Amino acid sequence: AQSVTQLDSQVPVFEEAPVELRCNYSSSVSVYLFWYVQYPNQGLQLLLKYLSGSTLVKGINGFEAEFNKSQTSFHLRKPSVHISDTAEYFCAVSDRPVWMDSSYKLIFGSGTRLLVRP
Amino acid sequence: NAGVTQTPKFQVLKTGQSMTLQCAQDMNHNSMYWYRQDPGMGLRLIYYSASEGTTDKGEVPNGYNVSRLNKREFSLRLESAAPSQTSVYFCASSPVSRDTEAFFGQGTRLTVV
Repeated sequence: AQSVTQLDSQVPVFEEAPVELRCNYSSSVSVYLFWYVQYPNQGLQLLLKYLSGSTLVKGINGFEAEFNKSQTSFHLRKPSVHISDTAEYFCAVSDRPVWMDSSYKLIFGSGTRLLVRP
Repeated sequence: NAGVTQTPKFQVLKTGQSMTLQCAQDMNHNSMYWYRQDPGMGLRLIYYSASEGTTDKGEVPNGYNVSRLNKREFSLRLESAAPSQTSVYFCASSPVSRDTEAFFGQGTRLTVV
């Protein structure tokens, strides 16, 4: 069964500094990987996704993530954060392999709260 | 574009009361989901519906029932609310497609006292 681990529950960082939010997954098959962001009192919004192809995925708001199959990781990065990036970030994996075109469920990590300080 | 709409946004229940959380999507998606979000635990799947007419249990189904009323609507019912069901509930939908992600509603904050 797939699972997702986000080791950092909270990451404080100063404005304009770089940030990396870590995500590791376990799966016996190739899967889809996602990062979602949740701003305070809002629902989840997709930041980026990895389905296949290039291992470096670019998303919205200047975020990018790199898929590393050998390390089963999908870390999220941003070279310079803004105050407005303060939010909770969730890594998720689908429960279906990439070759299976059928309904899938998302398995979420426990989330990482990014706190950007001035 | 409404996307995924959840009602109500907030609710306070007394232990033992029942209620139904409503969810509707206007994107013609086949699959719909109910998640609960608790601090430090991420989102956990309660029930899902891969298509109209089918429902299946997720990770934490106990104490809940669901109905896929039609392709648009997927409701979550708490028959006898318990304080352990205090949580934020999210409905989501997705198509059967390898290229498209799940879309989430704004959430329902439920408190059981």
